[in-house]
Amino acid sequence: ETGVTQTPRHLVMGMTNKKSLKCEQHLGHNAMYWYKQSAKKPLELMFVYSLEERVENNSVPSRFSPECPNSSHLFLHLHTLQPEDSALYLCASSQDTRGGSTDTQYFGPGTRLTVL
Amino acid sequence: AQKVTQAQTEISVVEKEDVTLDCVYETRDTTYYLFWYKQPPSGELVFLIRRNSFDEQNEISGRYSWNFQKSTSSFNFTITASQVVDSAVYFCALSEPYQNNNDMRFGAGTRLTVKP
Repeated sequence: ETGVTQTPRHLVMGMTNKKSLKCEQHLGHNAMYWYKQSAKKPLELMFVYSLEERVENNSVPSRFSPECPNSSHLFLHLHTLQPEDSALYLCASSQDTRGGSTDTQYFGPGTRLTVL
Repeated sequence: AQKVTQAQTEISVVEKEDVTLDCVYETRDTTYYLFWYKQPPSGELVFLIRRNSFDEQNEISGRYSWNFQKSTSSFNFTITASQVVDSAVYFCALSEPYQNNNDMRFGAGTRLTVKP
């Protein structure tokens, strides 16, 4: 049983749609992450939340909007996406690791997004 | 600059063969962490190992072993007596806790196919 769940697992949307991806972690962690995995590209970190505050945004277009209402839940709101945004979107969680230590990130199964 | 290099894009072996996946990293820090993850076709990244820069002992876990050599900045992963279930994409990653808010930098991955 995975400690990080993501829904939906698959999503097809048009460019004018608005949808949201959901991530939930059951590991007692307080940092959560969104990654994008495109074909033939390394994993790209999109957003980092620690203690429910956004600590990093790697120049992600504004059509992606994250939300972290509490330490167990993370959302990625999508609107007016482009076909090149089609990818596997992975969520991960870890302990808060600022300050010179690193805890392991545990990943969810991902949401396979297709933008038509 | 590429922080983590996995030069082998794809490897194909026959079941029961041993296989080594290479990982070369780049950092100026003395404190850093290295990781290996496995991504089966289902998409989820499965954590395999974390190693900190002060521990150069090689590690063995069942059929898996890791060879960490700071002198060559390498953290190679060997699967002994490979099995079909080992077929997956394997990612090496580097974390530098005193930089980049602890982001993990992933290599491009090595796709391993084990044929029966």
